[in-house]
Amino acid sequence: TQLLEQSPQFLSIQEGENLTVYCNSSSVFSSLQWYRQEPGEGPVLLVTVVTGGEVKKLKRLTFQFGDARKDSSLHITAAQPGDTGLYLCAGEGDSGGSNYKLTFGKGTLLTVNP
Amino acid sequence: KAGVTQTPRYLIKTRGQQVTLSCSPISGHRSVSWYQQTPGQGLQFLFEYFSETQRNKGNFPGRFSGRQFSNSRSEMNVSTLELGDSALYLCASSFWGNIQYFGAGTRLSVL
Repeated sequence: TQLLEQSPQFLSIQEGENLTVYCNSSSVFSSLQWYRQEPGEGPVLLVTVVTGGEVKKLKRLTFQFGDARKDSSLHITAAQPGDTGLYLCAGEGDSGGSNYKLTFGKGTLLTVNP
Repeated sequence: KAGVTQTPRYLIKTRGQQVTLSCSPISGHRSVSWYQQTPGQGLQFLFEYFSETQRNKGNFPGRFSGRQFSNSRSEMNVSTLELGDSALYLCASSFWGNIQYFGAGTRLSVL
């Protein structure tokens, strides 16, 4: 069974601060996705990383896939209240048969205070 | 293009009852996946359907079942409801399988 551990579980910061969220596993994933979920809504895809060592930037958000494709991080620069939400990482299996089953971490609940 | 539509948005049932949830995928998407989201367990995969066939299944009891119709719409059924089934049930559709677009979910409360 593939598991994804996210840390921290909760994060409350002030507007303008930087933060990093981690997503770790002992399993290899063919790709890893990051989602943001706001209250009362479903998760919305932010980015997909596929290649080990890959770095992708989305405005103030920087995503990195570990070299061994077992872990990932999300860094937010100068956080804003609009960044508040539940950040979820999800891994796509690397074993062929589970390609269409995403494994989700439990999420990091981020609150950015004005 | 309309997004993934889930109905109903909220549902209250009592223990022992059964419930059917509906999901209409994005037009052209043939894969539909279902997830259960709870504060303690996070998002857990229930099953995935592609062209009316269940292609993948998570570790849930047989009380949880689903189906997909020829127009790709999907339903999920939970029989003999238990208190622990209270959760947000999310449906996601995709064109091929890996990039998933989620609906807003159905919030099920079992009393």
